[in-house]
Amino acid sequence: DAGVIQSPRHEVTEMGQEVTLRCKPISGHDYLFWYRQTMMRGLELLIYFNNNVPIDDSGMPEDRFSAKMPNASFSTLKIQPSEPRDSAVYFCASSGTSGGRSYEQYFGPGTRLTVT
Amino acid sequence: DAKTTQPTSMDCAEGRAANLPCNHSTISGNEYVYWYRQIHSQGPQYIIHGLKNNETNEMASLIITEDRKSSTLILPHATLRDTAVYYCIAQGAYAGGTSYGKLTFGQGTILTVHP
Repeated sequence: DAGVIQSPRHEVTEMGQEVTLRCKPISGHDYLFWYRQTMMRGLELLIYFNNNVPIDDSGMPEDRFSAKMPNASFSTLKIQPSEPRDSAVYFCASSGTSGGRSYEQYFGPGTRLTVT
Repeated sequence: DAKTTQPTSMDCAEGRAANLPCNHSTISGNEYVYWYRQIHSQGPQYIIHGLKNNETNEMASLIITEDRKSSTLILPHATLRDTAVYYCIAQGAYAGGTSYGKLTFGQGTILTVHP
């Protein structure tokens, strides 16, 4: 398997623009997670899905952020409108389950977002 | 999730064992201890996990105390490529738990392996 795939790897945009980050989880995994990493706040969980359904979005910072998972092989994280404080590295991760137990998470390479 | 406490930084000589401690005194019975690491500019990487028994895989060993209040990650022969931030996380692993499936990353331990 190619692992978790994220695109784009780097994104530079101007304040006020819409940004869409994309993630393809590992085939067969039923959990998908979106994280954000900054120097000030470290790694934070934003939202996670189970079987394409959002389970916990309490980490989403505000209404400008939204995430979708239309099918088991694709998810998006959208920021509209973007602000300079959204500059960070965004990671997607996926994990599988068996017998009600979840397993380790596999992370993608991340998308480095810069909002000017 | 149970809160974990790790030293901010550690050094290790190349070829020697690196022993990274973690305190998780409030861990609950259904929470596993997971270790991840993050090499600069990369996504976090899973290393190992355990519940109450010691565990070993091709990357590391995990020693969990009998009372489960602390653990130690052991990299038996550290190399320069092991320089990274190491995160110890207590994660609920069973459906229905409040921390099921979620990882809460702390600040971790910056391990520097030097020649």
